[in-house]
Amino acid sequence: DTGVSQDPRHKITKRGQNVTFRCDPISEHNRLYWYRQTLGQGPEFLTYFQNEAQLEKSRLLSDRFSAERPKGSFSTLEIQRTEQGDSAMYLCASTAQRRSNTGELFFGEGSRLTVL
Amino acid sequence: GENVEQHPSTLSVQEGDSAVIKCTYSDSASNYFPWYKQELGKGPQLIIDIRSNVGEKKDQRIAVTLNKTAKHFSLHITETQPEDSAVYFCAASMPGGGADGLTFGKGTHLIIQP
Repeated sequence: DTGVSQDPRHKITKRGQNVTFRCDPISEHNRLYWYRQTLGQGPEFLTYFQNEAQLEKSRLLSDRFSAERPKGSFSTLEIQRTEQGDSAMYLCASTAQRRSNTGELFFGEGSRLTVL
Repeated sequence: GENVEQHPSTLSVQEGDSAVIKCTYSDSASNYFPWYKQELGKGPQLIIDIRSNVGEKKDQRIAVTLNKTAKHFSLHITETQPEDSAVYFCAASMPGGGADGLTFGKGTHLIIQP
């Protein structure tokens, strides 16, 4: 399977615990995005990387959230001291950015977080 | 930043009928408008997209129209089939992808009645 893969698919944790999600993008894609999706809503932008550089972060991304893409390949999203409001689907997407044109975003199947 | 409004939130049509979903956007600089289909438990998947230099695009039973002056775009699905049942999202993006990538609407739950 050469699509975007995310791990784990489901995570149940207790409030206050730390969780980490991993995303493996399509190999030739230089841009990687993290989105959050809550029930009945569209995906909301969290952050994105161009290669290993994190270029933008949404104000939705509090200090408890950190994302990395150390070698410009896979990425991790860590949430520290989880809160019940963090319960959501965390989606990763990748694209090959070409010049000034927006490319198709390829989404993974998401990591669903439930904070008890 | 960009704001995308989508309606209706739920659309129920008889199998074989057509379905139309409409979106409006706020930033006239946006130039890329994709539509994504999301099935239960899966990530969104691109089904069709249109760029601001084109007014209409068609792919088999699916078509998208764009009115730049009015800043709205629509998804048209003809001869609907049970497998079309899903949540559909419109989105908008500015040149270069913008710092925020895509801004999504809130989605339309399309239900195909047999």
